[in-house]
Amino acid sequence: QSALTQPASVSGSPGQSITISCTGTSSDVGGYNYVSWYQQHPGKAPKLMIYDVSNRPSGVPNRFSGSKSGNTASLTISGLQAEDEADYFCSSYSGSSTRVVFGGGTKLTVL
Amino acid sequence: QITLKESGPTLVKPTQTLTLTCTFSGFSLSTSGVAVGWIRQPPGKALEWLALIYWNDDKPYSPSLESRLSVTKDTSKNQVVLTMTNMDPVDTATYYCAQRRGSTFEHWGQGTLVTVSS
Repeated sequence: QSALTQPASVSGSPGQSITISCTGTSSDVGGYNYVSWYQQHPGKAPKLMIYDVSNRPSGVPNRFSGSKSGNTASLTISGLQAEDEADYFCSSYSGSSTRVVFGGGTKLTVL
Repeated sequence: QITLKESGPTLVKPTQTLTLTCTFSGFSLSTSGVAVGWIRQPPGKALEWLALIYWNDDKPYSPSLESRLSVTKDTSKNQVVLTMTNMDPVDTATYYCAQRRGSTFEHWGQGTLVTVSS
């Protein structure tokens, strides 16, 4: 069982917006602005999409955005495209002895 | 350009020790603030953090696996080595190394699938 809770799946049609949630505790998501989001296509390595809650690395489309409220972080993808179909994992720094925690992953289906 | 690549055995027997090497380029593990981490992913399952090694040799481990893990670095070779003892079939997974910058894994290796079976 993963430390951070994500919905198992979400779906949306091309052009629509979707939001994936990531719920932790005050020891991780709620306590630090160190939430990251990773995209993973089948058979590929994870790719960083968002870091420090809402920052996009160079090259990531601005359709991807991140936010946080309390112990829940969110990834929003606007203007869904077929290539966005993938698994998405959240991660957070943790102040406990477990320095890094991951979510269970969310499968995004573009209908 | 930053690249990382994992290498090691694809098959290990139960109770054996796994040794994986991460060879990287484009950054130095002697630079302040830089770290390399190990993360694994069982087939069809979630990512699981295993260990980190920082430029200053700080080495936090996953508490659930700490007794079985060891990580070392060779700065001159740009390599990080992960050792995991007493392997079990439940340890079958793709093992990734990744560059950690700040509190995120910015660049990832391609991963290496390790199967534990007799």
